[in-house]
Amino acid sequence: GAVVSQHPSRVICKSGTSVKIECRSLDFQATTMFWYRQFPKQSLMLMATSNEGSKATYEQGVEKDKFLINHASLTLSTLTVTSAHPEDSSFYICSARIGDQPQHFGDGTRLSIL
Amino acid sequence: QKEVEQDPGPLSVPEGAIVSLNCTYSNSAFQYFMWYRQYSRKGPELLMYTYSSGNKEDGRFTAQVDKSSKYISLFIRDSQPSDSATYLCATSGGYQKVTFGTGTKLQVIP
Repeated sequence: GAVVSQHPSRVICKSGTSVKIECRSLDFQATTMFWYRQFPKQSLMLMATSNEGSKATYEQGVEKDKFLINHASLTLSTLTVTSAHPEDSSFYICSARIGDQPQHFGDGTRLSIL
Repeated sequence: QKEVEQDPGPLSVPEGAIVSLNCTYSNSAFQYFMWYRQYSRKGPELLMYTYSSGNKEDGRFTAQVDKSSKYISLFIRDSQPSDSATYLCATSGGYQKVTFGTGTKLQVIP
């Protein structure tokens, strides 16, 4: 149980393109979903916390107009990287949880901006 | 000082060895303690989850929490090459956001 699906797993696109990443909790309804960014050989950096039906809470230094988060249902959250540039290239990972239970992670999306 | 400190390794052990992975944390309000395993180019996978102090065992894995010294450990018995991965410790106060360690890279050599 507690499966989180993230799609796509890999994206390569040109600079200036907007990219949407989907995160779904397949077998549970998530009260909260999280978006992380991970640089090579570094730990997870929390970007934002999102609750269904409300605006996401962004961590300090994360541009909310750059990284748009939509959490339309208890099983789906999306992250859109708008007008992506090479410095946005990274590994993006979502997670979901119920209440105060541990988070379960998706398999990540490797984003490469050329 | 980071809220959660973890030695990044890498840690190399022979197959069959007992592995000890450790973290220290600074916030005494943390009540929940997790260990995640992350394979290369994959998302973290929840291994162990404990609340407050004590031990928890699951197969070859044992998680230990000592709140008095703010020290958390993960022991892996009879380590296998398939255990080679990065192990992340994590803590939280419940509904609060989770704080992760930087991860320890483990390599089990056949």
